[in-house]
Amino acid sequence: EVQLVESGGDLVQPGGSLRLSCAASGFTFSSYWMHWVRQAPGKGLVWVSRIDNDGTTTDYADFVTGRFTISRDNAKNTLFLQMNSLTVDDTALYYCARTHYSGSQFDSWGQGTLVTVSS
Amino acid sequence: QSALTQPVSVSGSPGQSITISCTGTSSDVGAYNLVSWYQHHPGEVPKLIIYEVNKRPSGVSNRFSGSKSGNTASLTISGLQAVDEADYYCCSYAGPITVFGTGTKVTVL
Repeated sequence: EVQLVESGGDLVQPGGSLRLSCAASGFTFSSYWMHWVRQAPGKGLVWVSRIDNDGTTTDYADFVTGRFTISRDNAKNTLFLQMNSLTVDDTALYYCARTHYSGSQFDSWGQGTLVTVSS
Repeated sequence: QSALTQPVSVSGSPGQSITISCTGTSSDVGAYNLVSWYQHHPGEVPKLIIYEVNKRPSGVSNRFSGSKSGNTASLTISGLQAVDEADYYCCSYAGPITVFGTGTKVTVL
């Protein structure tokens, strides 16, 4: 069974940093592109970032470029999102999700981890 | 990187058909046949219901169908049921990024 389990969400002050993790199991992690998608309270889904299957290609939404860094450890079947210079607008439930290739559909999602940015 | 435009809400009676539009640009919806749709019940994980414009994953009801014309994609739910009440999001590849729609709340009257 495919499983994606996020962790690392927490309450953090504006300007702070946080590192999210997504542990994958039940599939060949190194064969899939991985993404982070977020949903602010009462708002819609927003794509944040993606990384290709071997970690050599990354892309970001404009609103996180320069602040967030996506990475992966295929030996440990884990995806990461390093989040710096957090603002209140980054408050959201962060999901990790997989796709077979660039641009394809999100066929599995984690349950999400909550990031709250507040003073 | 603007979100794709969806109606805020759509409603229908049980058994009726409804259609949700998803309007993008020539850089996303109009450029690729890589439009997908997700059903999201509050508190649950988003569920893929349509991919590559009009394909249904295994196990998804054939009451869900997708189409595209130009820069606008559409999701049709036929034979509306109470379980279909949820939020629906379109999504498109916009090389190299991905963009979601603004989301539509479907209400079954």
